[in-house]
Amino acid sequence: DADVTQTPRNRITKTGKRIMLECSQTKGHDRMYWYRQDPGLGLRLIYYSFDVKDINKGEISDGYSVSRQAQAKFSLSLESAIPNQTALYFCATSDPTGWRETQYFGPGTRLLVL
Amino acid sequence: AQKITQTQPGMFVQEKEAVTLDCTYDTSDPSYGLFWYKQPSSGEMIFLIYQGSYDQQNATEGRYSLNFQKARKSANLVISASQLGDSAMYFCAMREGLNAGGTSYGKLTFGQGTILTVHP
Repeated sequence: DADVTQTPRNRITKTGKRIMLECSQTKGHDRMYWYRQDPGLGLRLIYYSFDVKDINKGEISDGYSVSRQAQAKFSLSLESAIPNQTALYFCATSDPTGWRETQYFGPGTRLLVL
Repeated sequence: AQKITQTQPGMFVQEKEAVTLDCTYDTSDPSYGLFWYKQPSSGEMIFLIYQGSYDQQNATEGRYSLNFQKARKSANLVISASQLGDSAMYFCAMREGLNAGGTSYGKLTFGQGTILTVHP
């Protein structure tokens, strides 16, 4: 089984709808992240959480919210989806081990907002 | 200012040849780490190799090596003996800063990526 899973893998929604993307991990990592990927822009950080009680905004948090329900679960919500939120969304996890701390990514969720 | 720059949108290489993917970075922090990830057409992000700013030697992982030139702020990925399965998007990423406890801030900044195509 994959260590980091994301549901759904693909989603089509309409402008104005609320949508939730879910991430679960079995790696036992404290740190979790949400990124979005747009063509030509690489990955950009939306939100990150260093533990269940520590949630922080990334560089592009407007229009998004998150919930860290447990160490293993981190959800991303689009309160009112808009077409420019069409992107590939990744969840990632890491364990604070100093400089060699490595982020491990889920398979991604492809979101299309019509 | 862009912290991570990958100037090659696309690269082509013949199977079994070596290829270098460029990455330059910008930071004033003396403590940082550099990462390369591979993204095949299926979309997942696969960690390849890591280089720390204080590492004395260039990192190597199998056919992957990192040509780290600290003074020039470059961290180029070298793939030796290219295989068809190496065709993918490659991302360079950087993490800056250590907190007082000696652990990193954890956040990565990514470059725009380079699409590598390996020809048979």
